[in-house]
Amino acid sequence: QVQLVESGGGVVQPGRSLRLSCAASGFTFSGFAIHWVRQAPGKGLEWVAVISYDGINKYYADSVKGRFIISRDNSKNTLYLQMDSLRAEDTAVYYCARDSRLYAIYDYGMDVWGQGTTVTVSS
Amino acid sequence: QSALTQPASVSGSPGQSITISCTGTSSDVGVYNYVSWYQQHPGKAPKLMIYEVSNRPSGVSNRFSGSKSGNTASLTISGLQAEDEADYYCSSYTSSSSRVFGGGTKLTVL
Repeated sequence: QVQLVESGGGVVQPGRSLRLSCAASGFTFSGFAIHWVRQAPGKGLEWVAVISYDGINKYYADSVKGRFIISRDNSKNTLYLQMDSLRAEDTAVYYCARDSRLYAIYDYGMDVWGQGTTVTVSS
Repeated sequence: QSALTQPASVSGSPGQSITISCTGTSSDVGVYNYVSWYQQHPGKAPKLMIYEVSNRPSGVSNRFSGSKSGNTASLTISGLQAEDEADYYCSSYTSSSSRVFGGGTKLTVL
């Protein structure tokens, strides 16, 4: 079935790095833009980044710009989020989510979500 | 990239209708028809309920509807049911090609 599975979360000290992965299955991964969305404990959803279906276009939230890098390997059906210079405020559940439309240029809603992976930034 | 503005909470009785507002700016909601709504139950991943302001994905009840006027989008749930109790978030495409979520609205079914 159509599925996204995140991994790579954990506990990390401030200033250190972590790389999250999101493995896709059940659909043509290379045809869909994919987002990272996070949710701090007890807080709302925060959009983090998006990468186009072909990996060419990448956009970031101001809160992570210059520290996080989104990338994808369509040959491995996998999305990544490289997180550097981590801060306490980056502590959250990180979800990957698929845009609902094939070869989307704009935003047609995120129709498939993973279960999330937890990142805790603490000394 | 300021968050879209939603009421913190709304409530209604079973069978009633409620509306959740989502106010943005002329750089997001006001200029694009790329507004989505998500439902999130505790401990679960969000679920897409509405996309492109008023479109429902397959499988979403027609009790859920969306609209937009100016800088404000709205989600209406008619015939409230106990299972509708959840957090609801709006999101919008922006002029910088980023996305922005609302702060979320907790719906209580009385």
